[in-house]
Amino acid sequence: DSGVTQTPKHLITATGQRVTLRCSPRSGDLSVYWYQQSLDQGLQFLIQYYNGEERAKGNILERFSAQQFPDLHSELNLSSLELGDSALYFCASSTNRGEQFFGPGTRLTVL
Amino acid sequence: LAKTTQPISMDSYEGQEVNITCSHNNIATNDYITWYQQFPSQGPRFIIQGYKTKVTNEVASLFIPADRKSSTLSLPRVSLSDTAVYYCLVGPYNAGNMLTFGGGTRLMVKP
Repeated sequence: DSGVTQTPKHLITATGQRVTLRCSPRSGDLSVYWYQQSLDQGLQFLIQYYNGEERAKGNILERFSAQQFPDLHSELNLSSLELGDSALYFCASSTNRGEQFFGPGTRLTVL
Repeated sequence: LAKTTQPISMDSYEGQEVNITCSHNNIATNDYITWYQQFPSQGPRFIIQGYKTKVTNEVASLFIPADRKSSTLSLPRVSLSDTAVYYCLVGPYNAGNMLTFGGGTRLMVKP
């Protein structure tokens, strides 16, 4: 158990819909990262937040957005969903030592 | 960020030592090398991190030559449960800069 929690574990929705994925970092970790992993693909970095502010941006689509709240939990919003958005979405949090701790992921299926 | 190159896949047998090499020719002076392990449908898990020479922990060793243009993850006496994808990342010490996972090396351990 990494200490990072993600909800929901599974999510099934239809094209065109909007969903919100939630992540709670490990206690004391200020950074939260979001990654997307499609079937048999590597991890694609989406976005990083540090103490409520956006720190780095990767290959995140304009239909996707995220935020980190004062209690440090983060949400990833995915809108106008397409079939190709079906993937595992991982959240990670980090210490100052450079090690990321990953949550169990949310499996999104878009039908 | 320094680009990394790893073998796509490797096979081994139980009880053998496995060495996975990662090339990072344009590694910067302040870059560290970090390895993660990922099982199917799970988030990656930190294995080891180093800057130069050799680092050893309870699960693996990391060998880094003097020029630091490559590194080798060594897994002693692998078991079937070590079957996973192994990612090499290179970047500055703070985790916020180690965001590119690449394709990883798929290790298959056979009985």
